[in-house]
Amino acid sequence: AQSVTQLDSHVSVSEGTPVLLRCNYSSSYSPSLFWYVQHPNKGLQLLLKYTSAATLVKGINGFEAEFKKSETSFHLTKPSAHMSDAAEYFCVVSDRVDYKLSFGAGTTVTVRA
Amino acid sequence: DTEVTQTPKHLVMGMTNKKSLKCEQHMGHRAMYWYKQKAKKPPELMFVYSYEKLSINESVPSRFSPECPNSSLLNLHLHALQPEDSALYLCASRGAVGARGELFFGEGSRLTVL
Repeated sequence: AQSVTQLDSHVSVSEGTPVLLRCNYSSSYSPSLFWYVQHPNKGLQLLLKYTSAATLVKGINGFEAEFKKSETSFHLTKPSAHMSDAAEYFCVVSDRVDYKLSFGAGTTVTVRA
Repeated sequence: DTEVTQTPKHLVMGMTNKKSLKCEQHMGHRAMYWYKQKAKKPPELMFVYSYEKLSINESVPSRFSPECPNSSLLNLHLHALQPEDSALYLCASRGAVGARGELFFGEGSRLTVL
């Protein structure tokens, strides 16, 4: 069975400061991990993915994440937040069992000017 | 072309109406998904089609009826809905069989049931 825990329901940062969104996962198999962003009344957009290649993954808009198997974590970071980063972020895990993917509860990011 | 297109973007219906949501993708993906999403919550899986066959039904009430006419199209037929069914309905597709592929999402259909 697979599951995801996003450790922060809400993160507030100032524009230009770093962003850290934390995600821990549980999986019986070698997982794939994804971060998605959702702006209000929009669909989910893929930021980045880990699929068993390099453990440090770079994504769009300056985001990156590091897969740490020993800590079962996949935290998302960005060195400098922009106002347009204000959105909902979901960490997602998938393993080999079937077509299901498990979503975390989401982290709401607000960016202060 | 990496888009999943959903229509309509907005739908308002009464509890006795019959309506349909449509989803289309032209990426050659063989798995297609319907999700329901309430405000400030993650998407909840409803149905999965794999190679045009229904492979997963997450105990969804029969007032929601999915259909996959071909590998590019996915419909969700709605009948006798309840106000609590008001939500954002998201379609997604996935190319890879198994664990490695990401989901590609449409923009969603915002449904309001009066």
